[in-house]
Amino acid sequence: GDSVVQTEGQVLPSEGDSLIVNCSYETTQYPSLFWYVQYPGEGPQLHLKAMKANDKGRNKGFEAMYRKETTSFHLEKDSVQESDSAVYFCALSGAGSYQLTFGKGTKLSVIP
Amino acid sequence: ETGVTQSPTHLIKTRGQQVTLRCSSQSGHNTVSWYQQALGQGPQFIFQYYREEENGRGNFPPRFSGLQFPNYSSELNVNALELDDSALYLCASSQGLAGESYEQYFGPGTRLTVT
Repeated sequence: GDSVVQTEGQVLPSEGDSLIVNCSYETTQYPSLFWYVQYPGEGPQLHLKAMKANDKGRNKGFEAMYRKETTSFHLEKDSVQESDSAVYFCALSGAGSYQLTFGKGTKLSVIP
Repeated sequence: ETGVTQSPTHLIKTRGQQVTLRCSSQSGHNTVSWYQQALGQGPQFIFQYYREEENGRGNFPPRFSGLQFPNYSSELNVNALELDDSALYLCASSQGLAGESYEQYFGPGTRLTVT
C-alpha cells in the first residue's frame, strides 16, 4: 500500500534560519504530492502541491520539488518566520485514487 | 463561499455507545471524505462518498458507516464505541469525479472522547 514517511517529529529553527523538512513516499502508482499545514484547533489546509514529476510547488516562500528518482518531496524555505510555526503534513494521492495518505507530521516551532 | 463545516465541535461518549457526526461540504463540492486523526498522528482515511454512494474505504471496521445526502452533506456513524476511537474526526470535501485526483478541503473537525 501507499506510505509517506516524515523523519522529523519536530524541528526548532530560529527566526531567519533556513529550513528543510523531509518527506519520502512509497507507492506503486504515479501520485500527486501535497504539503498540508495544520494550526491548533483547525483542520489541515492545503499548503502547496505538485501533480507530476519535476513539478515544484510554491506558497508563501515555501517550495517542494517532486523528485521521482528519489521518491521525495522535501519542504524548504530560505528564511523561516515565527508565523510559520505549525504542524506540516506531507501527503500523497495515487493516480486514480480517492484518498489522501498522510505522513505523521512535523511540528515546526520557530524560535523568535 | 462557505467552507466545510462540522458539528458538533466536541463530544464525549461512553464505551459501547453510538455516535453520529455531521459535515456540510463546501459550496459546489459533490464528494465528501472522512478521516480519523489520533493525537500526534496524521489523518487516516476512513471512507469517501460520491453522489450518495460509498466510493472507497480505508482500513476501518464495518461499525464505521456513513451517509451522503442529496445536498452533498454527510454523516459519519460509529457503533459500539471503543476507547481507541477517541480522536479528531475530519471531513473533507472536493469537486471531482470518482477515481480522479483533486484537492480536498478540510473542516475543523469533531473532537470525540470515549470514556
